[in-house]
Amino acid sequence: DVVMTQSPLSLPVTLGQPASISCTSSQSLVHSDGNTYLRWFHQRPGQAPRRLIYKISNRDSGVPDRFSGSGSGTDFTLKIGRVEAEDVGVYYCMQGTHWPWTFGQGTKVEIK
Amino acid sequence: EVQLVESGGGLVQPGGSLRLSCAASGFAFRTYGFNWVRQAPGKGLEWLSYIGTSGSSIYYADSVKGRFTISRDNAKNSLYLQMNSLGAEDTAVYYCARGGGAHWGQGTLVTVSS
Repeated sequence: DVVMTQSPLSLPVTLGQPASISCTSSQSLVHSDGNTYLRWFHQRPGQAPRRLIYKISNRDSGVPDRFSGSGSGTDFTLKIGRVEAEDVGVYYCMQGTHWPWTFGQGTKVEIK
Repeated sequence: EVQLVESGGGLVQPGGSLRLSCAASGFAFRTYGFNWVRQAPGKGLEWLSYIGTSGSSIYYADSVKGRFTISRDNAKNSLYLQMNSLGAEDTAVYYCARGGGAHWGQGTLVTVSS
């Protein structure tokens, strides 16, 4: 199975400052169809996850443009341009290239 | 509006069975694949299973293979998860999610305990 490793696991941030989360996969996430099925999700306490980013860098509808995804192959990054209070919660990367699909451990973002 | 509503969770004894349902509305159900994902209390997300549009493509995580069965009824716009031989490690909130995860239900809690 593909292992997804996130860092850091805990990220205290200052409002208005940028934040970055790294996600590394144990093997390349490039699918045979040429796409890379790397997704990012955000989960607030007591809520279902919400997808923010798909195929590395495509923002879902309604996702603020302060969120951006980048990377290739096995190394990926989620960046928050300027953190707002509503951005707290846990962020997960997930690969959908290889079966079984797998999630990272999650990165908890909190305000300092 | 896309809606996914899970049901069927509850308290079950170890070794028991449970069938979860996910009722979909607001979109063409038969044109999407679906997933089941769970989250144990205080833990991260665990992908469990996927079913393709016609039900012919099915995949499972090793942790549930042979115990859980995913299925769908396109006439009823519904997704199912039959869970057998349940153990304490299966205690979690179970979510259904459409396709690549753009839409999720609110989850249903399954508690395995005597």
